[in-house]
Amino acid sequence: NAGVTQTPKFRVLKTGQSMTLLCAQDMNHEYMYWYRQDPGMGLRLIHYSVGEGTTAKGEVPDGYNVSRLKKQNFLLGLESAAPSQTSVYFCASSSGPPNEKLFFGSGTQLSVL
Amino acid sequence: GEDVEQSLFLSVREGDSSVINCTYTDSSSTYLYWYKQEPGAGLQLLTYIFSNMDMKQDQRLTVLLNKKDKHLSLRIADTQTGDSAIYFCAESLNSGNTPLVFGKGTRLSVIA
Repeated sequence: NAGVTQTPKFRVLKTGQSMTLLCAQDMNHEYMYWYRQDPGMGLRLIHYSVGEGTTAKGEVPDGYNVSRLKKQNFLLGLESAAPSQTSVYFCASSSGPPNEKLFFGSGTQLSVL
Repeated sequence: GEDVEQSLFLSVREGDSSVINCTYTDSSSTYLYWYKQEPGAGLQLLTYIFSNMDMKQDQRLTVLLNKKDKHLSLRIADTQTGDSAIYFCAESLNSGNTPLVFGKGTRLSVIA
């Protein structure tokens, strides 16, 4: 019972490089989310999806793109990484409202030099 | 707009009770949640309460909800060193597909 799996767990990028973070869930959840966590800032929502083929912007979407081509996967892309994107990234999924119990992955530590 | 406020730090002695407080702004919130984040890990749902309830108890955890004051609290009885973590309060807005609104988290330190 894997739940929510994020890959990779760690990554170091140089400024301007691109990368994709993969999130996979095996709970048949409709809703998926990408958050970033920074010291003193709590969790901030980047993008989310309410079903296969849909995406929506969260609180801090600039510099990121997402895709939800398959229900079980939610990809987060950084086209041109910046040092301000150094953070811990969390993916989460849920079955949706009204009781939105979120299941989180274990996170990806990204450093942009 | 929606906002969830928590104090950032709490320190307690092992064996004492911990009380973590949270205030929220949307009176139409349907569910309110407490998540726990241990070091190096993702958040895990600890407990939740439906907005028509005043209290929910689950073993050492007691959640109190005061809808009039928009105040939520989490009490941990007999706090143990394993309870050291960051605790996040979150509210589910009664507006369809709007994602949960999280507080910034309270870091609980348990002193042996």
